[in-house]
Amino acid sequence: DSGVTQTPKHLITATGQRVTLRCSPRSGDLSVYWYQQSLDQGLQFLIQYYNGEERAKGNILERFSAQQFPDLHSELNLSSLELGDSALYFCASSVGRSGGSPTDTQYFGPGTRLTVL
Amino acid sequence: GEDVEQSLFLSVREGDSSVINCTYTDSSSTYLYWYKQEPGAGLQLLTYIFSNMDMKQDQRLTVLLNKKDKHLSLRIADTQTGDSAIYFCAERGSGGYNKLIFGAGTRLAVHP
Repeated sequence: DSGVTQTPKHLITATGQRVTLRCSPRSGDLSVYWYQQSLDQGLQFLIQYYNGEERAKGNILERFSAQQFPDLHSELNLSSLELGDSALYFCASSVGRSGGSPTDTQYFGPGTRLTVL
Repeated sequence: GEDVEQSLFLSVREGDSSVINCTYTDSSSTYLYWYKQEPGAGLQLLTYIFSNMDMKQDQRLTVLLNKKDKHLSLRIADTQTGDSAIYFCAERGSGGYNKLIFGAGTRLAVHP
């Protein structure tokens, strides 16, 4: 158990809908990252928040948005869902933000499996 | 651009050593990581190596880094059926940010 929690574990929804995925980082971690794992794209970095502020952006669609709250939990909002958004969404957390020290090591949650029908 | 490549499949006999290979492109990567994913589960951090090291050993795991060739390998000694999983190599992306760039993953199958 990495200490990172994600809810829900599974989510089934229809095209055009909007969903919210939730992540709680490990105690003491200030950074939260979101990744998407799909069969065709593999594991792709979406976005990073550090202490409530957006830190880095990756291949995140405009239909997707995220935020990190004062208690450091994060939510990933996916809207106007398409079939191709079906994937496993991982949240990870780390103490630091830059990747230059062991405290920047990312620990992953169990993921949320999203199925869009 | 940033890219991490791994072979997709490896099959070994129980008790043998497994060697999973990875090549990466970003020479400025400070840390390189190995993660394990079991079926239906999340990513478990196995180990990491700092770029100024050539080797790191952690129980049955040995990581070798050839910085000149940008080649990373993970050796699992005395491979067990419980080691069957997908193993991902990852490097930190460039630009001073902590995004991880992952390989496609190597599926390790351990047979009796």
